Amino acid sequence: EADIYQTPRYLVIGTGKKITLECSQTMGHDKMYWYQQDPGMELHLIHYSYGVNSTEKGDLSSESTVSRIRTEHFPLTLESARPSHTSQYLCASSEYGGTGSLSYTFGSGTRLTVV
Amino acid sequence: TQLLEQSPQFLSIQEGENLTVYCNSSSVFSSLQWYRQEPGEGPVLLVTVVTGGEVKKLKRLTFQFGDARKDSSLHITAAQTGDTGLYLCAGARIGSGNTGKLIFGQGTTLQVKP
Repeated sequence: EADIYQTPRYLVIGTGKKITLECSQTMGHDKMYWYQQDPGMELHLIHYSYGVNSTEKGDLSSESTVSRIRTEHFPLTLESARPSHTSQYLCASSEYGGTGSLSYTFGSGTRLTVV
Repeated sequence: TQLLEQSPQFLSIQEGENLTVYCNSSSVFSSLQWYRQEPGEGPVLLVTVVTGGEVKKLKRLTFQFGDARKDSSLHITAAQTGDTGLYLCAGARIGSGNTGKLIFGQGTTLQVKP
């Protein structure tokens, strides 16, 4: 079964630490996304990628950075975590955009708490 | 400015009742999707609607895309406790080309009580 995996599922970390949230997909999708979501709230796009070596910032300003060295891997890094970064981070991928053919597959998310 | 407005934002009903969730915009979308998200999990795609006026059924769920492709509704018949969750609508804007970027509504939290 095709899937998208995020690790860790939960992370509690101290202020100032560097963290990397992992996201991998086995579907060979070119497009991948990172969303930030507070519990029960809407999703905000923070990063997306069209393919290898292609990354763009999303609509919501974020201090995080991403990289896309391999198609299947799209990690998100916070150089210095702060309490304001506490949130749920969701990774998603899609096969291609276009009318009637756009479908996102989401990972289970990483719940980040910065203390 | 919220491009996709969902209403209601919160809904608590008894098992067996019917309900409708709305997703409205002043923008035209090439397609619109509905997702369901359970606590601690990522959203799961329920349906994609593409054609204005299109109606799709998924068991007890009925999805409709407005004629002008600016709005959509999700109707659940005889709700069950398993329907509890966050329902998100998301649209691909006209002119977004192949970016694959979706605009998400703020979500409707549905609680179905036994």
